[in-house]
Amino acid sequence: EVQLVQSGAELKKAGESLKISCQASGYNFNTYWITWVRQMPGKGLEWLGIIYPADSDTKYSPSFQGQITISADKSNTTVYLQWSSLKASDTAMYYCARQKFVSGSFSWFDPWGQGTLVTVSS
Amino acid sequence: DIQMTQSPSSLSASVGDRVTITCRASQIINDYLNWYQQKPGKAPKVLIYAASRLETGVPSRFSGSGSGTDFTLTISSLQPEDFATYWCQQSYTIPWTFGQGTKVEI
Repeated sequence: EVQLVQSGAELKKAGESLKISCQASGYNFNTYWITWVRQMPGKGLEWLGIIYPADSDTKYSPSFQGQITISADKSNTTVYLQWSSLKASDTAMYYCARQKFVSGSFSWFDPWGQGTLVTVSS
Repeated sequence: DIQMTQSPSSLSASVGDRVTITCRASQIINDYLNWYQQKPGKAPKVLIYAASRLETGVPSRFSGSGSGTDFTLTISSLQPEDFATYWCQQSYTIPWTFGQGTKVEI
């Protein structure tokens, strides 16, 4: 069974750093892109960025470039999302998801991790 | 960025109703359109990809149509477990973008 299991909820202060994780299992980790999506409380879904674990090729949304860092560790099939200096506005649920492709071009997110709630106090 | 606009933002319906949700892209995206369902406290789950292809395991009462800029998600006969929020998402170009969501309520 393909699974993405995320790290637990975090409560941090503004200005602190944070790294959350997403561990993949049940498939070849090196052959699928993994993406991160943010959902602020009661709001919509926002795409943050994506990584190809085989070579760590990473692409960021322009809205989040420079604010976050996405990385991967092939040895433990885990992808990370990190911040060097959190803001109260980073408070949100963060999801990782595997990107599936068909016909070489159509893509969608499946499955998703269970989400990591990040709360940042000011 | 490609803007995705869903309508309505919410709707009330009854079990057995036919429900239609629309999604419009700010530019042509061909068939690069996915639909997700999200229940409270849960991660989204894909229903439809490439505008009209039903993901494995998704009930056949869900269907998608459209191409270019205008798309539709239809639930042919609403079931109690279908009360949720639905999101469209374009996969035509990065940055991938989502609609603002449609909440289907009783």
